[in-house]
Amino acid sequence: AQSVTQLDSHVSVSEGTPVLLRCNYSSSYSPSLFWYVQHPNKGLQLLLKYTSAATLVKGINGFEAEFKKSETSFHLTKPSAHMSDAAEYFCVVTASGGSYIPTFGRGTSLIVHP
Amino acid sequence: EAQVTQNPRYLITVTGKKLTVTCSQNMNHEYMSWYRQDPGLGLRQIYYSMNVEVTDKGDVPEGYKVSRKEKRNFPLILESPSPNQTSLYFCASRTATNTGELFFGEGSRLTVL
Repeated sequence: AQSVTQLDSHVSVSEGTPVLLRCNYSSSYSPSLFWYVQHPNKGLQLLLKYTSAATLVKGINGFEAEFKKSETSFHLTKPSAHMSDAAEYFCVVTASGGSYIPTFGRGTSLIVHP
Repeated sequence: EAQVTQNPRYLITVTGKKLTVTCSQNMNHEYMSWYRQDPGLGLRQIYYSMNVEVTDKGDVPEGYKVSRKEKRNFPLILESPSPNQTSLYFCASRTATNTGELFFGEGSRLTVL
């Protein structure tokens, strides 16, 4: 069994300040972890993924995430928020064993203030 | 260009009038899936398919049907739509492995009156 918890439904930051979106997972097998972004009226797009290589993963648009097995976390960060980062973000886990069916978190809405 | 194409993008219909939302991918992906997105509930999986002629229920399959006769197509069928099926629908595809990323369509916004 696997599950994903996104700890904040909304995160509000000012432009130019750091972003932290939190994600915790549980999985009976070695997980692959993903972050997707959804801009208004758009489909989801991959930001970055962890698949058992380097634990610090860099993605598009300056985002990165660190896989911490001991904490079962995969938090998404960015040093400096931009107005264009305002969007919905989804954390997703897929286990290496089992059925490979992705499990989605409920999403975190990132609000960026000027 | 690698893409997942859904049609229609927007549809308003009435209760009980059968409709089909088409989904097609050009990446030769084995895995395809349908999700619905509702405020506060995130994405919920309706049905998925691991390959041609192999489909399985997701978390919210009631009121929906799917078929996978060809690898590239995975239509979502609402035999008798009801207002509680008003939602934003996404089709996605991926390779068969757990490390592959999901590729999403642009979404289909369905309103059932």
